[in-house]
Amino acid sequence: DADVTQTPRNRITKTGKRIMLECSQTKGHDRMYWYRQDPGLGLRLIYYSFDVKDINKGEISDGYSVSRQAQAKFSLSLESAIPNQTALYFCATSGGAGYPIEQFFGPGTRLTVL
Amino acid sequence: AQKVTQAQTEISVVEKEDVTLDCVYETRDTTYYLFWYKQPPSGELVFLIRRNSFDEQNEISGRYSWNFQKSTSSFNFTITASQVVDSAVYFCALSEAFYSSASKIIFGSGTRLSIRP
Repeated sequence: DADVTQTPRNRITKTGKRIMLECSQTKGHDRMYWYRQDPGLGLRLIYYSFDVKDINKGEISDGYSVSRQAQAKFSLSLESAIPNQTALYFCATSGGAGYPIEQFFGPGTRLTVL
Repeated sequence: AQKVTQAQTEISVVEKEDVTLDCVYETRDTTYYLFWYKQPPSGELVFLIRRNSFDEQNEISGRYSWNFQKSTSSFNFTITASQVVDSAVYFCALSEAFYSSASKIIFGSGTRLSIRP
């Protein structure tokens, strides 16, 4: 089984709808991240969390919110989806202080907002 | 502020050619980490290598090698005898402040590598 899973893998929705993307991990990592990927722009950080009680905004948090329900679960919500939020969304984890710093990514969720 | 530049947007070579992907970074920290990730056509992101700022030794892993030069703030990636399976988007990334709560990874915009048979 994959260490980092994302659901759904693909989603098409309409402008104004509320959408939740979910991420779960079995790596036992403390730190979790949400990124979006747009063609030619690489990955941009939306939100990150270093433990259950810690939530931080990334560089493009407007229009998004997150919830860290447990160490292993980190959800991203689009309160009122708009077409320019069409993108590929990745969840990632890392071990935190004392661990190798590299992040491990889920398979991605392709979101289309019509 | 930290920044990663991958000036090569797309590269196309014929199979078995060697190819180098360039990465230039900016940081004011003396302690930082550099990474390369691979994104094949299937879309997942695969971690390839991590290098810390105190270790300038080049690294070789099979057909892959990495050249880290602090003097030019570069961390270039070379694939020797390229194969069609190497076709992917490759991202270079940088992280500062490993031991602080603010550690984040900043990604370059990626280089799309196409290997033609």
